[in-house]
Amino acid sequence: EDKVVQSPLSLVVHEGDTVTLNCSYEVTNFRSLLWYKQEKKAPTFLFMLTSSGIEKKSGRLSSILDKKELSSILNITATQTGDSAIYLCAVEAYNNNDMRFGAGTRLTVKP
Amino acid sequence: DGGITQSPKYLFRKEGQNVTLSCEQNLNHDAMYWYRQDPGQGLRLIYYSQIVNDFQKGDIAEGYSVSREKKESFPLTVTSAQKNPTAFYLCASSIGHRGETQYFGPGTRLLVL
Repeated sequence: EDKVVQSPLSLVVHEGDTVTLNCSYEVTNFRSLLWYKQEKKAPTFLFMLTSSGIEKKSGRLSSILDKKELSSILNITATQTGDSAIYLCAVEAYNNNDMRFGAGTRLTVKP
Repeated sequence: DGGITQSPKYLFRKEGQNVTLSCEQNLNHDAMYWYRQDPGQGLRLIYYSQIVNDFQKGDIAEGYSVSREKKESFPLTVTSAQKNPTAFYLCASSIGHRGETQYFGPGTRLLVL
């Protein structure tokens, strides 16, 4: 059965720290992996990754996909309190067009 | 097992037809959400409901309608007014509506004939 596992489930850091969030998956006919930031209602799209080894970067956030290891990491450098959120990982598959979400990582950044 | 279910997995709509997507949860969550996902794009919020008998429009509510008569159920109707309905629809629920983790259903793919 397809599944997406995120770790850790929760993380507490202080401002300025660097964090790494993990997402591993077992999905048949992998198409893409997406990262979202969820603060209030709707998750905000961060990255879509389809190719292994190519880092995507947006400000202090970056992400990379490792298709061999069936995983992705999301890095946040110089964290700020505004980074506090739940970070969701989702994986799309070609065959049945499913989109599977992980349980999320709750990040808390303390001043 | 607690969880959130959506049906059907695939749905075909003819031109001018209204179709309803089902979303049910037995997690005792107050809040429920409907999203649309198009290839290469992130999730977009259609409607959300914070409590029974109450719902609000999201960012792309035009052409859609919802109801929340029961806590467990939040069906989405795609009306004929929605000109581009082909997409993957995801339903989610959360304990409350103030940033708690949302749990997603498996999704429904809607295709237009």
